Amino acid sequence: NAGVTQTPKFRVLKTGQSMTLLCAQDMNHEYMYWYRQDPGMGLRLIHYSVGEGTTAKGEVPDGYNVSRLKKQNFLLGLESAAPSQTSVYFCASRGRTEAFFGQGTRLTVV
Amino acid sequence: AQKVTQAQTEISVVEKEDVTLDCVYETRDTTYYLFWYKQPPSGELVFLIRRNSFDEQNEISGRYSWNFQKSTSSFNFTITASQVVDSAVYFCALSAGRGQGAQKLVFGQGTRLTINP
Repeated sequence: NAGVTQTPKFRVLKTGQSMTLLCAQDMNHEYMYWYRQDPGMGLRLIHYSVGEGTTAKGEVPDGYNVSRLKKQNFLLGLESAAPSQTSVYFCASRGRTEAFFGQGTRLTVV
Repeated sequence: AQKVTQAQTEISVVEKEDVTLDCVYETRDTTYYLFWYKQPPSGELVFLIRRNSFDEQNEISGRYSWNFQKSTSSFNFTITASQVVDSAVYFCALSAGRGQGAQKLVFGQGTRLTINP
């Protein structure tokens, strides 16, 4: 029972490069979220999805895109990475109760 | 709009002291859920409790207790007889409204709690 799995766990990017973070959940949850965690800023919502094929903007969506082509997967894309996107990224999924989180992805943009 | 404020950025206490972490929320919706999560030094996020807006009963779980007061829009968390293992960052979160808006889950800035031996 994996729960929520994020890949990769660590990544270093050069400014301007692109990448995709993958979040997979095996709990058949409708709702999925991407957050970034920065020192002193808590968890800030980037984008979220309330079901397959739907996405919505959160608090800090600029510079990111998402897709939810399959119910179990929620992808976060950075088209042109910037140093300001250096952060720890968390994915979460939720059914009717609490949200379950992945282990996090530490991304450094140099 | 939904907002969660955790005014205490850092708290440091000596082991066995009681400590309360404050959480104030803002929402115009009458239906909402409040949560507390713990993030230990290892980094994962651990669910502690969920409370809905229609249930103002306080809850106790071992050394942990939660005080929900709609009149002051607060959902405070108290650890009794703190232990070093309680050292972590604690987050309060809110999900408010109905339909799609109800599934937007926002977090406070977190409170870093350090329990010293």
